[in-house]
Amino acid sequence: GPKVLQIPSHQIIDMGQMVTLNCDPVSNHLYFYWYKQILGQQMEFLVNFYNGKVMEKSKLFKDQFSVERPDGSYFTLKIQPTALEDSAVYFCASRETGDTEVFFGKGTRLTVV
Amino acid sequence: GEQVEQLPSILRVQERSSASINCTYENSASNYFPWYKQEPGENPKLIIDIRSNMERKQIQGLIVLLDKKAKRFSLHITDTQPADSAMYFCAASLNTDKVVFGTGTRLQVSP
Repeated sequence: GPKVLQIPSHQIIDMGQMVTLNCDPVSNHLYFYWYKQILGQQMEFLVNFYNGKVMEKSKLFKDQFSVERPDGSYFTLKIQPTALEDSAVYFCASRETGDTEVFFGKGTRLTVV
Repeated sequence: GEQVEQLPSILRVQERSSASINCTYENSASNYFPWYKQEPGENPKLIIDIRSNMERKQIQGLIVLLDKKAKRFSLHITDTQPADSAMYFCAASLNTDKVVFGTGTRLQVSP
């Protein structure tokens, strides 16, 4: 079936440094999402993105977070600077239209030390 | 914003019995309710979904029920197997809005 690819699968970074998480959504999908999951807990919505713009962001989407998808390339989540509490698995997701299935990538495990 | 409550958080059943997970949502306009299964270290995978124009949907041993008046929906797994052991998340969505997940249910099916 359709796959959302996330690169890298693991990332370890020093607190205060910048990190960029990359997502390659399903090719014909138009809506993109980032979710944060701390081990064993629920998937928490961060942001959704459509037509080059952020549509909605949660309070977890701090000022240090930003997203973009330049010219149809990777959909990225950038955290600058990182904090210890940013350690989590970040899942990218995409969907074709507003009411179709949402497909999730395998996640990037971010560890901030 | 939308909140989705999910219970129970942990569910232990014997193999071949049934398991039920219940969710409630706040936004009466929500119209799409997917259920995801997540195994350790894996991404969530859609197992069944229901739209607001239906009250019941079944795919093999999975049944979802939707009560729009009560803003409640549920997943029933009949004839559980150890391979059904995983985290299960309900979710609610309105059109192009974000998909809001419940807090998850850890299902443990023992042989």
